Amino acid sequence: EVQLVESGGGSVQPGKSLRLSCAVSGFTFDDYAMHWVRQAPGKGLEWVSGISWNSFSIGYVDSVKGRFTISRDNAKNFLYLQMSSLKIEDTALYFCAKDTGPGPRAFEIWGQGTMVTVSS
Amino acid sequence: QSALTQPPSASGSPGQSVTISCNGTSSDIGNYNFVSWYQQHPGKVPKLMIYEVIKRPAGVPLRFSGSRSGKTASLTVSGLQAEDEADYYCSSYAGNNNIIFGGGTKLTVL
Repeated sequence: EVQLVESGGGSVQPGKSLRLSCAVSGFTFDDYAMHWVRQAPGKGLEWVSGISWNSFSIGYVDSVKGRFTISRDNAKNFLYLQMSSLKIEDTALYFCAKDTGPGPRAFEIWGQGTMVTVSS
Repeated sequence: QSALTQPPSASGSPGQSVTISCNGTSSDIGNYNFVSWYQQHPGKVPKLMIYEVIKRPAGVPLRFSGSRSGKTASLTVSGLQAEDEADYYCSSYAGNNNIIFGGGTKLTVL
């Protein structure tokens, strides 16, 4: 069974940092691109960042460029999102998602999400 | 990285068909075959319904279909059922390793 389990969310002050993790099981991790997608309370979905199977291709939504860093450890089957200089508008439920292929295409399987709250 | 444009709401009676549009540009929907659709029930995780414009993942009912004409993608739900009431989001690859979503459409089954 494919499983994506996010962790690392929490409540932090503006300007602080958090590191999200996504533990993956049930499929060959290094065959697929992976993504982080977020959803602010009561709002729509927003793609945050994606990383190809071999980490050679990485993308970010403009609003997080220079502040967030996506990475993956194919040996440990983990996806990460290092978030720094957090802003109030980063408050959202962050989902880890498996792509349908090795590069950015679609979000086939989703985790349950981990909540990030940025508040003073 | 402008969002794709979806109507905020759509509705239909049980058994009817409803089509939700997703308007993009020549830099996303009009240029790549990586258009997908997601269903999200309140408080639940999004579910992939259509990918690569027209493909259905295993387990998605045949009454869900996708299409594209130029810079506009569409999701059609035929034979509406009560459980189809949900929010629907489109997304597209937009080049440079970026993916964009539409704002979402709330589908109501009357």
